[in-house]
Amino acid sequence: SQTIHQWPATLVQPVGSPLSLECTVEGTSNPNLYWYRQAAGRGLQLLFYSVGIGQISSEVPQNLSASRPQDRQFILSSKKLLLSDSGFYLCAWSVQGRVAEKLFFGSGTQLSVL
Amino acid sequence: GENVEQHPSTLSVQEGDSAVIKCTYSDSASNYFPWYKQELGKGPQLIIDIRSNVGEKKDQRIAVTLNKTAKHFSLHITETQPEDSAVYFCAASILGGSYIPTFGRGTSLIVHP
Repeated sequence: SQTIHQWPATLVQPVGSPLSLECTVEGTSNPNLYWYRQAAGRGLQLLFYSVGIGQISSEVPQNLSASRPQDRQFILSSKKLLLSDSGFYLCAWSVQGRVAEKLFFGSGTQLSVL
Repeated sequence: GENVEQHPSTLSVQEGDSAVIKCTYSDSASNYFPWYKQELGKGPQLIIDIRSNVGEKKDQRIAVTLNKTAKHFSLHITETQPEDSAVYFCAASILGGSYIPTFGRGTSLIVHP
């Protein structure tokens, strides 16, 4: 069966510090991968998605970047965190070639930038 | 692009009552409508989905209805229980297309014991 791992679960970082959140998927090949953010409210904001290694699409210009160094690994990064980067970050995957279908979410990372 | 509106933003019910969450979409080509449940501190999980070739789908206490003409779909939860308390998201997309599902803004359901 497929599983998605996301870490860390909680992170407190000072303003201006770097960020690296990692997500890995097991049990499937060449999945579509996604990073979402939930700010103070409940909405899901799509940040990045990837349909393959080296293929990253950015949905919103911001202080963050994403990389996909391996088929089932997706990394969210920042060189210098801002207060506005605080939020709940979610990684998700979907079946190869089916970006429009069901998403499987990880357990999330609660990021607090102080 | 697709636009999904979800109402209400907050819904409070007594245990045992029914709860209904409604969503409307703008793109008549959309044909896949999933619903996700997000418990506190966790990621959303798919609970039910419907395709446009059916008007209703049921799974125990939850059901989803779809009105293609009016471009709206609803989640119905009967005999609500405290463990149904969560944030629920609807979404819409086109199967086989290249667009990622568009999500509604979420509904916080609170079930009072």
